[in-house]
Amino acid sequence: QKEVEQNSGPLSVPEGAIASLNCTYSDRGSQSFFWYRQYSGKSPELIMSIYSNGDKEDGRFTAQLNKASQYVSLLIRDSQPSDSATYLCAVNRGGGNKLTFGTGTQLKVEL
Amino acid sequence: GAVVSQHPSRVICKSGTSVKIECRSLDFQATTMFWYRQFPKQSLMLMATSNEGSKATYEQGVEKDKFLINHASLTLSTLTVTSAHPEDSSFYICSARARLAGVYNEQFFGPGTRLTVL
Repeated sequence: QKEVEQNSGPLSVPEGAIASLNCTYSDRGSQSFFWYRQYSGKSPELIMSIYSNGDKEDGRFTAQLNKASQYVSLLIRDSQPSDSATYLCAVNRGGGNKLTFGTGTQLKVEL
Repeated sequence: GAVVSQHPSRVICKSGTSVKIECRSLDFQATTMFWYRQFPKQSLMLMATSNEGSKATYEQGVEKDKFLINHASLTLSTLTVTSAHPEDSSFYICSARARLAGVYNEQFFGPGTRLTVL
C-alpha cells in the first residue's frame, strides 16, 4: 500500500463546476496535510494546509480532513480553466520535517 | 513572502561533468531545505534533507557521494551532481521550511532546475 494515494485522473469538470480531489494516507500518526498545485513543467505551489479534522476554506478552495478515515480532500468551487493542473497531496508524519507526496491528480477544467 | 529561488533554471551538460544548483530563501530564514527530483509524469521524490550547519540526510538509494549537498547558511543550500550521466537528467526542485514554521511544517518550493545530461 502506498503511503499517500491519489487517483491519477484526469478528472474533467466543466467550467464553473465544483472539482473534488481525494487523497488517502496510510500512516495514522500523520499530523499535517497539504495540497500543492503543479502546472506542467513548473514546481509545486502550496494551495492549502490543514491540521485538524473538519473543513478549512480559503477563497474558492476548501480542504477537508477526516483522520479517522485517513482521508483528505480538496474542493475547488467555480472551477476555472486556469485551475487545470496536477494537484499533489502531501502528508507530514510528525516528529520530523519530511513530506510524503502522492502521485497527483490531473485536473482538466473544460470550457 | 516565502519566496525560494533556484539557479540555474535550466542546464545542459556533457556526461562526466559536475553541475551545481543553488537554492536560496529570499525573504525568510530556512533552517531546513529539501532536495527533490521529479522524472516526467512521476511525483516528487525526496532525495535529501539539508539542515544548516550540519550534514545532509539522504534518502535510501540516493548516493551521497554523487549528490553533494551543502547548507552553509540559513538562506542558501547547494546541490552538486558529480560526474553526471544521462540517467541523472531530471527536474530538480528544492524547498525550504521557514525557521519559525508553525505546526503545519509548510514547505515552499523553488522554481526548479531542469538538468539534461548529453
